[in-house]
Amino acid sequence: LAKTTQPISMDSYEGQEVNITCSHNNIATNDYITWYQQFPSQGPRFIIQGYKTKVTNEVASLFIPADRKSSTLSLPRVSLSDTAVYYCLVGDRSAGNKLTFGGGTRVLVKP
Amino acid sequence: SAVISQKPSRDICQRGTSLTIQCQVDSQVTMMFWYRQQPGQSLTLIATANQGSEATYESGFVIDKFPISRPNLTFSTLTVSNMSPEDSSIYLCSVALDGGFTDTQYFGPGTRLTVL
Repeated sequence: LAKTTQPISMDSYEGQEVNITCSHNNIATNDYITWYQQFPSQGPRFIIQGYKTKVTNEVASLFIPADRKSSTLSLPRVSLSDTAVYYCLVGDRSAGNKLTFGGGTRVLVKP
Repeated sequence: SAVISQKPSRDICQRGTSLTIQCQVDSQVTMMFWYRQQPGQSLTLIATANQGSEATYESGFVIDKFPISRPNLTFSTLTVSNMSPEDSSIYLCSVALDGGFTDTQYFGPGTRLTVL
């Protein structure tokens, strides 16, 4: 059964760039790749979304290779407040295009 | 964007009882979703609730256990029926403003349920 997979955790330091890669081998042809951020005791918050190549907004960049089987969320110059769990969300053709969240990557930013 | 509120924010319930969770959105939306998030885990979609039609449940979730109402375009409820300790979890509602086409969702703060 295909899965959307992410690293479980990553540590970083303030001011560094953090890159989180999500593997989604069975992404649906027409599906977007969406990333969310979740703080404790809160619902997930939309960060960025893309379909192919590169997307950038005021908080992050999203890199998507041509085959779209993975995507990388890039957080530039992280601060302590970026400590959170980050989820990717894609469709999954092996599950009837069901929206499937990745397992989440717990990012800890240290001073 | 959308502002979503949920009630209650948390509850402690006895096994065998039921709890109804409310989700209120500040704008009219077609698509609403209900998720479960067990402690330290990712989100699992329970069902999609579109106004004017029956909710669509994901594999492993049934209407008798998780009945959903969607009386209008700004409100939905999820009931967790005949609860057991295994139902202890965070329940979240979300909405998609573009009909779900781009999968951009806005989430409520969640309802933390503990079943004793």
